[in-house]
Amino acid sequence: GAGVSQSPSNKVTEKGKDVELRCDPISGHTALYWYRQSLGQGLEFLIYFQGNSAPDKSGLPSDRFSAERTGGSVSTLTIQRTQQEDSAVYLCASSLEWRGVRETQYFGPGTRLLVL
Amino acid sequence: AQSVTQLGSHVSVSEGALVLLRCNYSSSVPPYLFWYVQYPNQGLQLLLKYTTGATLVKGINGFEAEFKKSETSFHLTKPSAHMSDAAEYFCAVSGSGGYQKVTFGIGTKLQVIP
Repeated sequence: GAGVSQSPSNKVTEKGKDVELRCDPISGHTALYWYRQSLGQGLEFLIYFQGNSAPDKSGLPSDRFSAERTGGSVSTLTIQRTQQEDSAVYLCASSLEWRGVRETQYFGPGTRLLVL
Repeated sequence: AQSVTQLGSHVSVSEGALVLLRCNYSSSVPPYLFWYVQYPNQGLQLLLKYTTGATLVKGINGFEAEFKKSETSFHLTKPSAHMSDAAEYFCAVSGSGGYQKVTFGIGTKLQVIP
C-alpha cells in the first residue's frame, strides 16, 4: 500500500513569507508526528496528533509554527514569517495505534525547506 | 526525560568488515530503543527495536543490536558491510507505557569503502 507522502518535496521561500507543508499519512493510521531535521542536529520532535487533536505540541519552537489535522488524515504544518533558521528537512511520520511509540512510526520522504 | 548519544558522526568501514555503530541512552524509566536508517533523500526506515524480552534484537538487512542495561547501551552491529549499507543511522529512545515522545540521536553516517 501507499506510504506516507509529503508535499512539496522542496520549498524555497524568502524570509518573512509563510509556508505550508503537507503530510498524507498511511490510510488508517491514527497517530501522526512532525519532526524537523537540521544539519548536524538529528531529529527534533515538533508535534504529535492523535486523530485530529494534538495532545503534545511541546516541540513547536515558537508561535510562528502551527499544525492542524483534518478528518483524522491529512496534516498541514504552517510556518509564519519564516526565518533563515527555519531551513531544514521537515519529516512526517504516522503509526497505526494511539498507543503512540509502542507502534512503529513510518516516515515520509520529507520536505526540504530553504529560507533565503 | 530521555536522551541519546551516538558516538561518531561519521564511520567508515571496508566492504566485508564488521559494522559497529555506538549508541548510549539515558532514561528515567524503562526504555524502548530503536535504530532507524535513512538513505539519501528518503525518510527514515525502522531497522529494529527493543521493547521488552530478549535483549538481542535482530532487524532487517542483517543488522542486530543488543540492549545492555548495565552499560546503558544499544549498539548496532552487522558482521559484514555491504556497499548498500551506506546511509545515515539514527538511534532513538522513548519511555515505556502509554504515549512517550521519541528522542533521536544526531545520527551516524556510515561510509562503506570498496
